Amino acid sequence: LAKTTQPISMDSYEGQEVNITCSHNNIATNDYITWYQQFPSQGPRFIIQGYKTKVTNEVASLFIPADRKSSTLSLPRVSLSDTAVYYCLVGPTGGGNKLTFGTGTQLKVEL
Amino acid sequence: EAGVAQSPRYKIIEKRQSVAFWCNPISGHATLYWYQQILGQGPKLLIQFQNNGVVDDSQLPKDRFSAERLKGVDSTLKIQPAKLEDSAVYLCASSPGIIPGNEQFFGPGTRLTVL
Repeated sequence: LAKTTQPISMDSYEGQEVNITCSHNNIATNDYITWYQQFPSQGPRFIIQGYKTKVTNEVASLFIPADRKSSTLSLPRVSLSDTAVYYCLVGPTGGGNKLTFGTGTQLKVEL
Repeated sequence: EAGVAQSPRYKIIEKRQSVAFWCNPISGHATLYWYQQILGQGPKLLIQFQNNGVVDDSQLPKDRFSAERLKGVDSTLKIQPAKLEDSAVYLCASSPGIIPGNEQFFGPGTRLTVL
């Protein structure tokens, strides 16, 4: 079972780039890395998913080194509305109890 | 596209009572998940369905929790009898199927308070 470790909290200012790192030392060969965003009183929302190297979409980038023991979610030019909890999820897309959410990182963006 | 629907949004019961939550996934999504999220923690998977079959329920406390997915569409999660430690948000999520790249779409959750 892939255990993940993330910083509990991070602070940033509007317009800055934010990088949140997730450690997953015992990631399995068939595990994917997925990041979700969660606002209070809402369910998590998918941000990005990757297996190796770099993935980019319209809202974020995901960097995964060759050993895949960690991953970094990069949010370019954050705004106040990016204040949320960010979860790193490691597991096979087949799911099951191997889908493990991390403790989450509370990102606070200020003016 | 309509999202995942859950009801009720809030429920307050006393310990030893029973409660049921309902989930309607996104149309056409084969996979359905129920999670328990205790305040300050990440979601914990309780059960996963693929169509109307159970893929994994190893973390479901089967002495008090039960879940079913009728005709591979809607799903209900039941707790009987409830304990104080069951106070949490119960999240339902769905995804198109078990293939690489699938993302889970979450509903708003049901906040359960057990007194």
